[in-house]
Amino acid sequence: DQQVKQNSPSLSVQEGRISILNCDYTNSMFDYFLWYKKYPAEGPTFLISISSIKDKNEDGRFTVFLNKSAKHLSLHIVPSQPGDSAVYFCAASPNYGGSQGNLIFGKGTKLSVKP
Amino acid sequence: DGGITQSPKYLFRKEGQNVTLSCEQNLNHDAMYWYRQDPGQGLRLIYYSQIVNDFQKGDIAEGYSVSREKKESFPLTVTSAQKNPTAFYLCASSILAKNIQYFGAGTRLSVL
Repeated sequence: DQQVKQNSPSLSVQEGRISILNCDYTNSMFDYFLWYKKYPAEGPTFLISISSIKDKNEDGRFTVFLNKSAKHLSLHIVPSQPGDSAVYFCAASPNYGGSQGNLIFGKGTKLSVKP
Repeated sequence: DGGITQSPKYLFRKEGQNVTLSCEQNLNHDAMYWYRQDPGQGLRLIYYSQIVNDFQKGDIAEGYSVSREKKESFPLTVTSAQKNPTAFYLCASSILAKNIQYFGAGTRLSVL
């Protein structure tokens, strides 16, 4: 059973507009969340993270929002640029036992930013 | 230049053959991980190691083996018992007890 879900396999956005990528999780023991960006045939690159004690974290054009009651997080990219076109993975980390530090990934959302 | 190096970039396996994927890091990270990615899927954890000479199975360890004799190195062997080995394999490392994992460029394994 998937613990981290990205329900939109793909998203298309016009250059300059906002991209919103969504992620839902089921395990209330997750306490740290990350977003990774991945180009084809390359390893994922860390983008931004958020701890469960916060509800927002911002880094330049990227902002992650966390709604713990809804077990939902989202990544906002403003303004979107063609170079942002990639697959975005949401990941969550349980902070218990021997699994501390391990990441559980969603299936990814492919973002296409059109000029 | 600090980072994670995976080799080879492409690898072909004959039926019944064991193959080993290399992963080296010079980030002085304690923890290392191996993931498998299939088309349209997320990353699934194969094995992880939090300290030298110790490692644990992830979600899909069957048909794989690892070793961690040095802090810098975490090779993955895909054994003949792995019946569907064709995938993109990713190695990652992190500072122990920190959650940000840094990834190598990956190895694409195909079956001849």
